[in-house]
Amino acid sequence: EDQVTQSPEALRLQEGESSSLNCSYTVSGLRGLFWYRQDPGKGPEFLFTLYSAGEEKEKERLKATLTKKESFLHITAPKPEDSATYLCAVQAYTGFQKLVFGTGTRLLVSP
Amino acid sequence: NAGVTQTPKFQVLKTGQSMTLQCAQDMNHEYMSWYRQDPGMGLRLIHYSVGAGITDQGEVPNGYNVSRSTTEDFPLRLLSAAPSQTSVYFCASGTGEGNQPQHFGDGTRLSIL
Repeated sequence: EDQVTQSPEALRLQEGESSSLNCSYTVSGLRGLFWYRQDPGKGPEFLFTLYSAGEEKEKERLKATLTKKESFLHITAPKPEDSATYLCAVQAYTGFQKLVFGTGTRLLVSP
Repeated sequence: NAGVTQTPKFQVLKTGQSMTLQCAQDMNHEYMSWYRQDPGMGLRLIHYSVGAGITDQGEVPNGYNVSRSTTEDFPLRLLSAAPSQTSVYFCASGTGEGNQPQHFGDGTRLSIL
């Protein structure tokens, strides 16, 4: 069974304090790993897709990396507007377009 | 750019009532899906469609019906609402190609009394 575990559940940072979020996964053949951002009362907003171990993607203060067992979302010098819940999901080759989500990490960045 | 539009945004039902959650997308995507999001759990797939006229069950399909008569629309029907169906429902769409991302609507918050 495909599974995604995210840690920590919640993270509080000071503005400018860099950190990383973890997404550990088990999947029967990884087609893609996805990172989404979700603001309160909104739907998930797509951030990155990672396909193979060693791959990295960057967007502003965010960088996502992938190994064979986990992915990290690195947040460099965060700002209060980066506060959100970050969701990780995997898509297997056997499950056409089906996403299996983790429970997310709630990030709060204080000024 | 409207993207994925869900209506209504909020709804309160009584146990046993039926209703339809609407989802429309304007990106000409073949793939559409419904998820529910509950506290402490990840989003879980209810039903999905790979094109007009084609639907299939996801992880938690019981108590829900879907149909897909057009590319744009993918409504979710609750046949006889139960308190366990209190949740936030998200619709998503994608091209269905390889590992292209899916795009989500802003959800319908549903309470069953």
